[in-house]
Parts: sequence; C-alpha cells; structure tokens
Amino acid sequence: DGGITQSPKYLFRKEGQNVTLSCEQNLNHDAMYWYRQDPGQGLRLIYYSQIVNDFQKGDIAEGYSVSREKKESFPLTVTSAQKNPTAFYLCASSIPGTGYGYTFGSGTRLTVV
Amino acid sequence: QKEVEQNSGPLSVPEGAIASLNCTYSDRVSQSFFWYRQYSGKSPELIMSIYSNGDKEDGRFTAQLNKASQYVSLLIRDSQPSDSATYLCAVRIQGAQKLVFGQGTRLTINP
Repeated sequence: DGGITQSPKYLFRKEGQNVTLSCEQNLNHDAMYWYRQDPGQGLRLIYYSQIVNDFQKGDIAEGYSVSREKKESFPLTVTSAQKNPTAFYLCASSIPGTGYGYTFGSGTRLTVV
Repeated sequence: QKEVEQNSGPLSVPEGAIASLNCTYSDRVSQSFFWYRQYSGKSPELIMSIYSNGDKEDGRFTAQLNKASQYVSLLIRDSQPSDSATYLCAVRIQGAQKLVFGQGTRLTINP
C-alpha cells in the first residue's frame, strides 16, 4: 500500500543537540511538506519542496533545515538554533496542482529534555 | 486578518444532531478547499474536498462552498461520538504551491 512513513514516532532531544526526522513516501508525489503543530494550535509550514534538489522556506523555517536528494525522501533537521522545538511534526505529500490535497504521515512527537 | 479563519470552539453537539463547522478565507482567488479531521494525538486525514460553488455530499458529510461570500462549511449529519475530533479547513490559492490551514475547530459529540 502507498503511504507516507515518518520516523521515529517519539524523539527526545537534549539541549544543544541536532536531530533529524525522517519522512519517506511511496506515492510518487512530487511535492512534500513539513509542518509543526503545537498543542491546541493549527499547522505552521516549516519547509516545502516541489521537486528534487529544490525546496523553499515556509513561515517558520528558522532553526530548521531540509534536503531533497530523492523524490521519495524529505528529512527535516531540527538544529540547536531552534529554541523551542517541542512540538508534533507532520510530513505531507501531494501532487502539484490546485485540485489536490495533502496526504499526511503519522507524525513525530519531539520533546526537549 | 488571517488567511483562513475558523472558530476554535469547542463546539458541543448532541448525538444524532447536525454539526455545522464554518471557515472563512481572505483570498478571492482561492480555488480548492479541503476539510481534514484530526483525532487527538493523530495526524490529519482528508475527509472532503470541494472546488465549485454549492454543496458536495459524501455519506453523512456535506461540504458547502460560497465563493462570493468567501465561506466554506462542513455539515455532519447524524453526529456520532466517533466524530469528536478537531476539524481543519484548508485552502489552496490559485498558483500557490501549498495549502493554508485554519487553526481548527474542536468538535465534541455528546452521547
């Protein structure tokens, strides 16, 4: 079955540490996205990519980095520059074009310890 | 003004009644509209999409779009306790490469 796999499901980060969240899809979607969700809040866009080797900053890119070396993969690194990284991180993919919504992965819950 | 606005709730509806969720958007060239359901601690799942003015029905769900009023709504008929969740409205603007999400409405169906 096609879908999006995010790993790990839970991640704990120490102060000053970089961590990488994995996102892999086998839907053959060109577009991929990373969102952050804080408790009781909506989704805020971190980064998105429409094609391999190209990506754009979203609304809250500071303290995060991404790469898109393969169509299937869009990992997100939370750097030590992100001062408040505790949140629920969601990866999504889509076919580019106005008629298509997103398919979401199951999410990674990141906690700073 | 936020691009996509929803009443955060909570909205409480008795079981068997109709739940009505509303969303307004600011950009007049918005083309595609989506409703996602998100259970607590889970990721959003797409339940309805609508592109043209009027109503679109799928089972107990009806999406309504009025582009002149920049308003999209979701009706849930015969509400069940399993419908208790946060409902996110999302809008794709013409030519944009991403969806813009509202903050979500938390719906509780009371048995």
